[in-house]
Amino acid sequence: EAGVAQSPRYKIIEKRQSVAFWCNPISGHATLYWYQQILGQGPKLLIQFQNNGVVDDSQLPKDRFSAERLKGVDSTLKIQPAKLEDSAVYLCASSSIRGRTEAFFGQGTRLTVV
Amino acid sequence: GESVGLHLPTLSVQEGDNSIINCAYSNSASDYFIWYKQESGKGPQFIIDIRSNMDKRQGQRVTVLLNKTVKHLSLQIAATQPGDSAVYFCAENWGYQKVTFGTGTKLQVIP
Repeated sequence: EAGVAQSPRYKIIEKRQSVAFWCNPISGHATLYWYQQILGQGPKLLIQFQNNGVVDDSQLPKDRFSAERLKGVDSTLKIQPAKLEDSAVYLCASSSIRGRTEAFFGQGTRLTVV
Repeated sequence: GESVGLHLPTLSVQEGDNSIINCAYSNSASDYFIWYKQESGKGPQFIIDIRSNMDKRQGQRVTVLLNKTVKHLSLQIAATQPGDSAVYFCAENWGYQKVTFGTGTKLQVIP
């Protein structure tokens, strides 16, 4: 089966600019996650979708980050305006709804804010 | 590529030896505990999970042990190979498929 697709692979922007990341999950997976992984740390959950509804966004900095999942398939994560501390790898993952714990991850988008 | 292992605890193991990676967790309500492997420049990859009502589960060359009394999880890799070099994360699955990652351990296999 095709994996989780993410784009772009790399992005460099200046602080205060905006940026958007795209994710296409595995077909049929109802649950979609966005994680932020700062160098040397474990992934931190930003937002979790179940179909097109938000299940958990408690750790999403809502003053600058937003995410949507239209039609319960693809998702975009946006940062506006970006700060230096947003430099990280942004990982998208998906899992099926049937009680399995295995989440499949994309390769991530490495964001550098200068 | 990017090193996800920077600043992480490192375990160095001779090729062919067994590796034991440890993890302490905090949420007693977790339903499952999961181990992920992350190679440089890639997203985490599922290795094995264990349900909270079990204390041991075996896979191919890997064994996960769960000690709920002390909230401790371990991953044992038999006959460690160079391809096992990566950062290993434990994670907890709780609530409605909420997955929370712990601190990783970098495994270096010495040929």
